[in-house]
Amino acid sequence: SAVISQKPSRDICQRGTSLTIQCQVDSQVTMMFWYRQQPGQSLTLIATANQGSEATYESGFVIDKFPISRPNLTFSTLTVSNMSPEDSSIYLCSVLKGDLWGQFFGPGTRLTVL
Amino acid sequence: EDKVVQSPLSLVVHEGDTVTLNCSYEVTNFRSLLWYKQEKKAPTFLFMLTSSGIEKKSGRLSSILDKKELSSILNITATQTGDSAIYLCAVFNAGGTSYGKLTFGQGTILTVHP
Repeated sequence: SAVISQKPSRDICQRGTSLTIQCQVDSQVTMMFWYRQQPGQSLTLIATANQGSEATYESGFVIDKFPISRPNLTFSTLTVSNMSPEDSSIYLCSVLKGDLWGQFFGPGTRLTVL
Repeated sequence: EDKVVQSPLSLVVHEGDTVTLNCSYEVTNFRSLLWYKQEKKAPTFLFMLTSSGIEKKSGRLSSILDKKELSSILNITATQTGDSAIYLCAVFNAGGTSYGKLTFGQGTILTVHP
């Protein structure tokens, strides 16, 4: 597996502001992903964070709203921009390591937008 | 579009009972099926099932993959209150631009009463 940390663990933000979430892995990983889990819902993939290139976004998610960076093989950030109450969710990063056909999740960031 | 359906959506049992959770899927380029347990924020990895590993067991938990029926079950025997959680099923897509994408089911909320 991999040891994954996320910061912040939780935050309460005002409408219209932005929040950047960090994801750090203890070893190099093949792929990193960002998911969102809205209240009472299952997990939805936002994007794949690509090292050295632009992230690959899923349908319904755009770079202007969720800019992602991945400067190296162990670190990624997700920014939630111009937040509204509908962005209140748990945001999770996950990693795929080597040939392991599975993903492990970070501890998550619980975001509340007022 | 990839699809994962879990049943039941919720389940209430008493300690010592045995439960069976179901997951069915439709996905292109299937590589593996994963089960997670979610108690607070982050899903915790339980099992990964592939064509070469269709049955897994760990303590009181076991899981089987039926590739013909495109489904999986997760069994928990002698349930304990600590088993109360949301159990998530996800399938791993290994094809093209969707490589690495996990598609999640809605989850099964398991409540175990003393």
